[in-house]
This record gives sequence, C-alpha cells and structure tokens, in this order.
Amino acid sequence: GAGVSQSPRYKVAKRGQDVALRCDPISGHVSLFWYQQALGQGPEFLTYFQNEAQLDKSGLPSDRFFAERPEGSVSTLKIQRTQQEDSAVYLCASSFLSNTEAFFGQGTRLTVV
Amino acid sequence: KQEVTQIPAALSVPEGENLVLNCSFTDSAIYNLQWFRQDPGKGLTSLLLIQSSQREQTSGRLNASLDKSSGRSTLYIAASQPGDSATYLCAVSLQGAQKLVFGQGTRLTINP
Repeated sequence: GAGVSQSPRYKVAKRGQDVALRCDPISGHVSLFWYQQALGQGPEFLTYFQNEAQLDKSGLPSDRFFAERPEGSVSTLKIQRTQQEDSAVYLCASSFLSNTEAFFGQGTRLTVV
Repeated sequence: KQEVTQIPAALSVPEGENLVLNCSFTDSAIYNLQWFRQDPGKGLTSLLLIQSSQREQTSGRLNASLDKSSGRSTLYIAASQPGDSATYLCAVSLQGAQKLVFGQGTRLTINP
C-alpha cells in the first residue's frame, strides 16, 4: 500500500476485555515496530520485528501484551485483560531495513473504561 | 540508557519568523537521527533523516543539523507559516539496536 495502515483508528474497551490492534506495513518493508504514546509524551518503544522474527520485545510493559507477525507482513498487537493504564495511542512503523527511515501509521487510540 | 530531550516544550511565534527547535541526546553512539511532525490526533510524518556521518540535511524550508560529539541536533524552519503548527519530535536510532528513542516533542504554534 501507499503507507502504513492501522485499524481500528479508535477502540474503547471495558477494563478486563482483550483487544487486538492491526498494522499493515508498507509492502516490502522488512522491519516493523510498535510504539506506545501517552498523551503529551513522545512514543515509547514496545517491540520490533524483522520479517516474521520478533527480535526485540524489551519494551512490552507486561505479559498481557503480545505481538505477532506470522507471515512477515501484517502484524497484530494484542492486549489481554486491559487496564486503565493501557489507555494510549498505539503506533506502528515500518522501514525497508533496520536503521533506515521509519514510516508511521495514523495510530490506534485505545481508551479503557 | 539513551535519553532525548527537546527544548522548548512549546513555542509560539508570529508567521514569517525563522525559528530553531532543539534536540539533545545523552549517548553519542547513534546510527541516525530523525525529525518527525505530528498533527493533533494523527500519526508521525517523517521530515528529515540525518545519518551519523552527516552534518545536516535540507528539505524545502527545513534544515536539520547534527553534532554527534556534543549530542545535539537542531531543526531550523525558515519563513514559518500557520500550516507549520504541529508537534515536532526528534528520535535517535541506536547503534546495535533498531528502536527509535524519542524526545517529548516541541509543540509549535505559528500565529497568523
């Protein structure tokens, strides 16, 4: 596609509910990243994929967070048993190779009530 | 641990002025530095990427400089326009790691 696409754009979840956020990277991009952005803050790294391999998940805040990219293209970030502190914008980015220019999607704004 | 700081946190200037946004980082072992723009409720738009071996990059009215040894980068915006109003974020890519470390951003308002 022309850019990184994320869905849904907005998600409201009741506390305790599981959610799944989708990212379609730019076609042919090897590297894919997930970031979490709290209101008024810069994005914080969550996890990194090179093709289908998850090479760095050091930023995932708890074992309730899980990400996958099974075929090396589309990625899903799953949050189990959501809590209020999970409310944030979740940004996906892709790049052709590691350490090259990163392109971001529009983000998914998650609100946990 | 790499830390990125952006000063000022917010800036408001009249239309037509030239302005400079600042970014500093604590660890000079970076691979590159990227400047982004973020409009309210939107994702990040890449503006300029400077490799660690470069000193500056230019795109239209934007010029970004990098002084790796002192841990500083500046984004210069010439002849500012109301459409430049947004939050500007800088981020460094670390050597040996693929993630970007972001500053908290500078919220820029250009007044007509």
